[in-house]
Amino acid sequence: EAGVVQSPRYKIIEKKQPVAFWCNPISGHNTLYWYLQNLGQGPELLIRYENEEAVDDSQLPKDRFSAERLKGVDSTLKIQPAELGDSAVYLCASSGSVEGYNEQFFGPGTRLTVL
Amino acid sequence: AQTVTQSQPEMSVQEAETVTLSCTYDTSENNYYLFWYKQPPSRQMILVIRQEAYKQQNATENRFSVNFQKAAKSFSLKISDSQLGDTAMYFCAFMSRVTGNQFYFGTGTSLTVIP
Repeated sequence: EAGVVQSPRYKIIEKKQPVAFWCNPISGHNTLYWYLQNLGQGPELLIRYENEEAVDDSQLPKDRFSAERLKGVDSTLKIQPAELGDSAVYLCASSGSVEGYNEQFFGPGTRLTVL
Repeated sequence: AQTVTQSQPEMSVQEAETVTLSCTYDTSENNYYLFWYKQPPSRQMILVIRQEAYKQQNATENRFSVNFQKAAKSFSLKISDSQLGDTAMYFCAFMSRVTGNQFYFGTGTSLTVIP
């Protein structure tokens, strides 16, 4: 079974440029998460989808960040324009009900460097 | 809101020895799950062990076991016979069954196994 797929794995951009990250969750997983992880820190939720609906986006900086999950499968996270402080790892995760609980599976992440 | 606290930013252990990582959490709920995730250097996060709050028996997975103290809201991870491959960041996480698929992570403990 394929895991959570993310691309690109690494991205280096100049500040004020746009950038987009893509995530393909595990087949059949209805819940998809985007997290931001700074070096040496735990993941911080940016947005959570249940199917195609964003049910928790309270921590998403909406002035520059946007996300979509068309058809309730793949998702993209966009930053426009990027700032120096956006340098971090962006993790995608998905979960589905297994034996009555929701185990969360993570992708490898996209490491963003903003110069 | 739920909070998860990991008070040990860094720990080290000699190979083959035992180490315990601490985690406390704060919640008013009674029905929830607790998890320990492992994130090796430059590799993706994987689930180590989970505990259902309604189960009194501590979860065990091979060399990994937990000490779940519900009244004290404590959830420590014990790693026995430490191996070099155990070197990683370890994150404690909480998931409420009331709010569904919302996960809360601690700030992590960096564990180094010394040969």
